[in-house]
Formats: sequence, structure tokens, C-alpha cells
Amino acid sequence: DTAVSQTPKYLVTQMGNDKSIKCEQNLGHDTMYWYKQDSKKFLKIMFSYNNKELIINETVPNRFSPKSPDKAHLNLHINSLELGDSAVYFCASSPNMGSNQPQHFGDGTRLSIL
Amino acid sequence: KNEVEQSPQNLTAQEGEFITINCSYSVGISALHWLQQHPGGGIVSLFMLSSGKKKHGRLIATINIQEKHSSLHITASHPRDSAVYICAPRSYNTDKLIFGTGTRLQVFP
Repeated sequence: DTAVSQTPKYLVTQMGNDKSIKCEQNLGHDTMYWYKQDSKKFLKIMFSYNNKELIINETVPNRFSPKSPDKAHLNLHINSLELGDSAVYFCASSPNMGSNQPQHFGDGTRLSIL
Repeated sequence: KNEVEQSPQNLTAQEGEFITINCSYSVGISALHWLQQHPGGGIVSLFMLSSGKKKHGRLIATINIQEKHSSLHITASHPRDSAVYICAPRSYNTDKLIFGTGTRLQVFP
């Protein structure tokens, strides 16, 4: 069974549209994360949630809104998509903040803006 | 200057060679991840360590907190080890992972 699953795997859409990426983990972890990997393959954190509560909000445009309906899910909604949003978005989870256990990553969602 | 520096950026090896990838960081950390990203794009955490050394199969990771340096070693390298290896220390203050730019490894048969 997949530990951290993201959908969709690929997302191609036009500038100005609104889209969502879903993430679910079945590991019983309290903490979930969204990361963005740009065209140069550089990873950077966007958000982290601990038990449905926002903990980290990096300098991300407010067009990006994470939603955590429960601690097993952390979805990412993006309004008014721009060309610069094209990237691979990774969801991850860990047992809790500051855990000595490694983070588990999803397979990524490749977002392409036309 | 980046907070996390990896070297080399690119590495080519023949099957069977011993590989070393280095990571230096400038921030205070509570732990450090070594991640592997295959061409297909998925990311796997190989190790998370906060002191000393860890070994898993042919992979060994070491960290020296005082020197702010970590190394990833691959013994008896194999073409399936070809991937990007990313060092990601976790900031002690913010608990955030700070990612290196990655080392692209290609192992040829």
C-alpha cells in the first residue's frame, strides 16, 4: 500500500485556472508538508501542518491555499495559475514535528501551465 | 552563499567503484536527511541522522556536527544507483528542511 499518495500525477492547465492537488497518508503521521521543486530541481518547503494546524507558511503567494480536513490529508489549492507555478509539487509526512524519523514523500505532481 | 553546499554536482562512475558525496551546511541543525531522487522523479529518504554514522546495505552516511559536514558513501556502486542525491539538513530553529542542490550520479556498467 502506498504510504503517501498524491493525485493527480500530472496536471496540465491554462494560465488563470484554479486547480487542486490532493495528498493522503496512511502512516498515522501527525505532520504533513508541501514542497515545490522548480525547473532547476531545487526543492523548497511551502507549508507544513501538524494535526490539521498550520505550522510553517513559507513566503508563498496567497493564491496557494492548503487545506487539511484531517491529519491524514493535506490538499493544495491554487488560484489564478501563473506560468511560474509550473513545477513538481511533493507532499510528505513525518510522525510529528521534530521527529527523529525520516519524512516519507509522495511521488510528486507535475504541474504544467500553458 | 547557499546554506547547504553539496559536492560534486555531477559524478560519473564505473560499476563497482566507491562513491562519496559531500554536504556542508552553515546553519544549526537537529538532524540531516539524505534523499534519493530517481529519473522518474520520486523522492526516497535514505537516511536521517543526527550524529555518527548509519549503514543500510551498500550505503553509509556519516555526520560531523561540529564541522557541519555530512557524507554519503556508496560501496560497490551499481547502475541502479544512478540518481540525484540530495542533502537536507533540518534547521534547529525552524524545524524546516533546507535542501542542497543535489548531486547527479551516473554509474555505468
